[in-house]
Parts: sequence; structure tokens; C-alpha cells
Amino acid sequence: DVKVTQSSRYLVKRTGEKVFLECVQDMDHENMFWYRQDPGLGLRLIYFSYDVKMKEKGDIPEGYSVSREKKERFSLILESASTNQTSMYLCASRGGGFNSDYTFGSGTRLTVV
Amino acid sequence: ILNVEQSPQSLHVQEGDSTNFTCSFPSSNFYALHWYRWETAKSPEALFVMTLNGDEKKKGRISATLNTKEGYSYLYIKGSQPEDSATYLCAFKSGGSNYKLTFGKGTLLTVNP
Repeated sequence: DVKVTQSSRYLVKRTGEKVFLECVQDMDHENMFWYRQDPGLGLRLIYFSYDVKMKEKGDIPEGYSVSREKKERFSLILESASTNQTSMYLCASRGGGFNSDYTFGSGTRLTVV
Repeated sequence: ILNVEQSPQSLHVQEGDSTNFTCSFPSSNFYALHWYRWETAKSPEALFVMTLNGDEKKKGRISATLNTKEGYSYLYIKGSQPEDSATYLCAFKSGGSNYKLTFGKGTLLTVNP
């Protein structure tokens, strides 16, 4: 079974802190994604990566950056956390094949105070 | 940003009832439509990937249909059980994107025993 592991289930950070959310997948998937989920807004794509060191902005990249130095790891970085970044963050990966499913991690609920 | 709509937003049914909900998406430049089930405190789980107009897919008591010409998909649950309680997400992939899924906001199903 493909596993996508997110390093923290719950995280509380202060406004202005630099925050790293880590995601690791164990099935050699090329594509990795970061989404955030907010009530009434659904899943919104922040960034995705289609290969090592390659990244593309999603629909809401402002305030975020990403890093993919190794194929299995995709990090989401909040350069200076703000309260409006309080959310559930979901990482996903997807292998080859144009219609492959996404495999999701279990999410990190981030609260910025 | 592509518009993917799901209705209803939430639904309460009694155990044993059959139910269905809708996903509507752009009918132009269609490539694939995905359905996911997301139970509370778990990761979203892939249900179906649908690509052809008229597709019908089935997994146990859950089935889905696809109409790409008019831009909608139905998800049906026959004889709902409490363990079917979850948020059901649909996600659209356009022909122009090899990587990106655009998600609807989901339908929250609660099945009362």
C-alpha cells in the first residue's frame, strides 16, 4: 500500500514564525501536492511538484513556498505564519498514468495564534 | 479557476435508505472525474476514476455515473449504513493538465442508525 506520511497531526505556531510541514511518500511517485481544506471552501491547491526540484504554483500560493530536494519528500513552508493560514493541510502523491488516483496523507491541522 | 460544484452540501439519511448526490463540472476540455470518500480523522480514499461519457462504476453498494456532454456525475449509495458517513468529494481533471485535480466542496453524508 502506498503511504503518504505527514510529520505532525496537530501543530500550534505563533504569528510570524517560519513553519515547515513535511510530507513523505514511499512509492516512488513523481507528483506531489499540497492542499488546504477550510470549511465551506473545500480542498484548494497550494503548490505541486511533478519531479525533484520542480514545482508549480496552485490556486492559492501566496504566503507559501515549497521544497522538493528528494523524490520522496515534499515540504510546505510558511515563511511568516499568519492567523489566516490556520487550516487543515493535506499532502498527496500520485504515480505515473494520466488517470492515477491521488493518495493522501492524514493531514496536519495547523493553528496560528 | 475551474468551477466544480457538489450538491447537496450535506445530507442526513436513515440506515437502509438509498441516496445520491451530484457533481457538476465544465463540459469542455474534459479528461477525467474522480470520486473520493473522506471519513473524519482519516485520509481521503479514492473511490472511482471515470473517463468516458456514459461510464458507470460500482464498488459494493456505491456506484457512480458520468455524463461528460452535460457536465455531471452522480454518486449513488444503496442501503446506506452508518459506516458510509463521510464527506464525498469529486474532482475534475481537464485535458490541459497532466497533474492537477480541481475539487468540489464535498457532500457531507450522515447516516443515522
